[in-house]
Amino acid sequence: GAVVSQHPSRVICKSGTSVKIECRSLDFQATTMFWYRQFPKQSLMLMATSNEGSKATYEQGVEKDKFLINHASLTLSTLTVTSAHPEDSSFYICSAGGGKGTDTQYFGPGTRLTVL
Amino acid sequence: SQQGEEDPQALSIQEGENATMNCSYKTSINNLQWYRQNSGRGLVHLILIRSNEREKHSGRLRVTLDTSKKSSSLLITASRAADTASYFCAVLGGGFKTIFGAGTRLFVKA
Repeated sequence: GAVVSQHPSRVICKSGTSVKIECRSLDFQATTMFWYRQFPKQSLMLMATSNEGSKATYEQGVEKDKFLINHASLTLSTLTVTSAHPEDSSFYICSAGGGKGTDTQYFGPGTRLTVL
Repeated sequence: SQQGEEDPQALSIQEGENATMNCSYKTSINNLQWYRQNSGRGLVHLILIRSNEREKHSGRLRVTLDTSKKSSSLLITASRAADTASYFCAVLGGGFKTIFGAGTRLFVKA
């Protein structure tokens, strides 16, 4: 099956710094990628839809200036958490689609962000 | 709400028993998928059922879909301790967005 990678898998940062998380589709081109966040013992909440070559579409309640998304190529989307605060600590998961069947999403392994 | 409903929220059973989890959703869908997540780990895709299908099997997994009731169920037969995990249903709706249910935490006691 298709593979989606995320980097880093785990990051710890100080409050006020910015953190960039990469999501790559390794063996297919993804016209669309999605970013989710998951708090402990909760479900995945869709944050935004990242479209290659255009602006991301954010879900209601997600601050676009706080969570910057760049989908510069068909295999890479990045999520930057700007001026991170402890409440941004979460598990961030990306998924990619538009490759092998437009109704199939392939999920990355997730990135654990801890903001001190 | 972005999410569908899943019940039960938590389920504890003995090894060898069957586990049934239910999911309801609100929108029309193209397909419904079930995922498994071990604590602190990524998602593992279990099974996809399309909107024109009613039942699907994969190994010890059986999924049903009732689009008239906007609901689905996941049955795990002959459960094992290794099945302990959180299980999520997810629906693919408009804009190819995948929306997740709240999840069921399954604990299988050895």
